[in-house]
Amino acid sequence: ETGVTQTPRHLVMGMTNKKSLKCEQHLGHNAMYWYKQSAKKPLELMFVYNFKEQTENNSVPSRFSPECPNSSHLFLHLHTLQPEDSALYLCASSQDPAYGYTFGSGTRLTVV
Amino acid sequence: QKEVEQNSGPLSVPEGAIASLNCTYSDRGSQSFFWYRQYSGKSPELIMSIYSNGDKEDGRFTAQLNKASQYVSLLIRDSQPSDSATYLCAVNMPMDSNYQLIWGAGTKLIIKP
Repeated sequence: ETGVTQTPRHLVMGMTNKKSLKCEQHLGHNAMYWYKQSAKKPLELMFVYNFKEQTENNSVPSRFSPECPNSSHLFLHLHTLQPEDSALYLCASSQDPAYGYTFGSGTRLTVV
Repeated sequence: QKEVEQNSGPLSVPEGAIASLNCTYSDRGSQSFFWYRQYSGKSPELIMSIYSNGDKEDGRFTAQLNKASQYVSLLIRDSQPSDSATYLCAVNMPMDSNYQLIWGAGTKLIIKP
């Protein structure tokens, strides 16, 4: 496999459920990111990991919990979400942000 | 406030014409500038990056950067229906002791056959 792989592609969950999003990159990049994309709004940076250390938490509610066990894998654990959390969640990786990011295919999340 | 501004569109262009997409940014210290293309239901894909004033050409795409006026544009020559997508502008802006990529909300481009 090449590039950045995200699973699942689609997820429907109730407000009391617990689920996890998974991201894996096969590019040898050092940094990984979680973004939220809502309709007609700019991409919102959620979390940044560099060499598996969290370097940024952009005031994200605690119902979103990231985990980065190594430089190639990134998880986003979800619990007690709200309907307004429904969005496209994108994982990205980079070797040097000055040269841009590579995105995964995203997870379309619907909270009911 | 770190901002990247784009006209949301939709911008409608006839097939074969030149599509011109514009983006302005708030911080003069910004360095790297990117254009991403995002098809409906898909993730963003990097199509152009530019780092210094002037034009950069890659096939039918030309990125233009004017740091004095704080704008970056993307020209698409000989527009094709397959170019119909949302185009996202992203700018690396100084943030504390580092840089952070700030995104515009995107311009929806429609190429009419």
